[in-house]
Amino acid sequence: AQTVTQSQPEMSVQEAETVTLSCTYDTSESDYYLFWYKQPPSRQMILVIRQEAYKQQNATENRFSVNFQKAAKSFSLKISDSQLGDAAMYFCAYRSGGGGSEKLVFGKGTKLTVNP
Amino acid sequence: NAGVTQTPKFQVLKTGQSMTLQCAQDMNHEYMSWYRQDPGMGLRLIHYSVGAGITDQGEVPNGYNVSRSTTEDFPLRLLSAAPSQTSVYFCASSPPRSRTYEQYFGPGTRLTVT
Repeated sequence: AQTVTQSQPEMSVQEAETVTLSCTYDTSESDYYLFWYKQPPSRQMILVIRQEAYKQQNATENRFSVNFQKAAKSFSLKISDSQLGDAAMYFCAYRSGGGGSEKLVFGKGTKLTVNP
Repeated sequence: NAGVTQTPKFQVLKTGQSMTLQCAQDMNHEYMSWYRQDPGMGLRLIHYSVGAGITDQGEVPNGYNVSRSTTEDFPLRLLSAAPSQTSVYFCASSPPRSRTYEQYFGPGTRLTVT
């Protein structure tokens, strides 16, 4: 079974600075997808960024980027120019690439605090 | 287009009571699922469905039942509530045969069992 590990229960960053959240995963599959979800205090789960395992290029979405190291099974999230609105729980998630395999396996989350 | 809706938003039950958490989506998504979120545990899959009439168990199915009679609805039933079922419950859906689409989450239901 696949597992996802987020080793940082809490992180903090100064506004306008850069922070990196760590995620490692364990799988024997070669086809899969990785996601970072943001959960603000409103509780809504919001997709931040996704990465297809077959793509070597790291995904980016505005201030958010990932460092995907397939051999090391590492998938870290970098937030640049941090804003107060980035404060939230962040979850790393894994999904198998096979057809019909929509199930997500989540890490335990990292609580990000942004200090003004 | 309402997306994924869940009712109620909050619920308090006494031990032994039963109830149904409602989930509906208006995006014609085939895949729907239920997760529970507990502090320090992330989200864990309870049950899922790949289409009307088809359901299967996830990681933590005990104490919960589901059915999928229509594409739109995927209710979660607690048969006899226990304090261990105190949690936040999320319903999610995704498009058919999706390979890169994310799952769309509802706003969640906070359930307290006393």
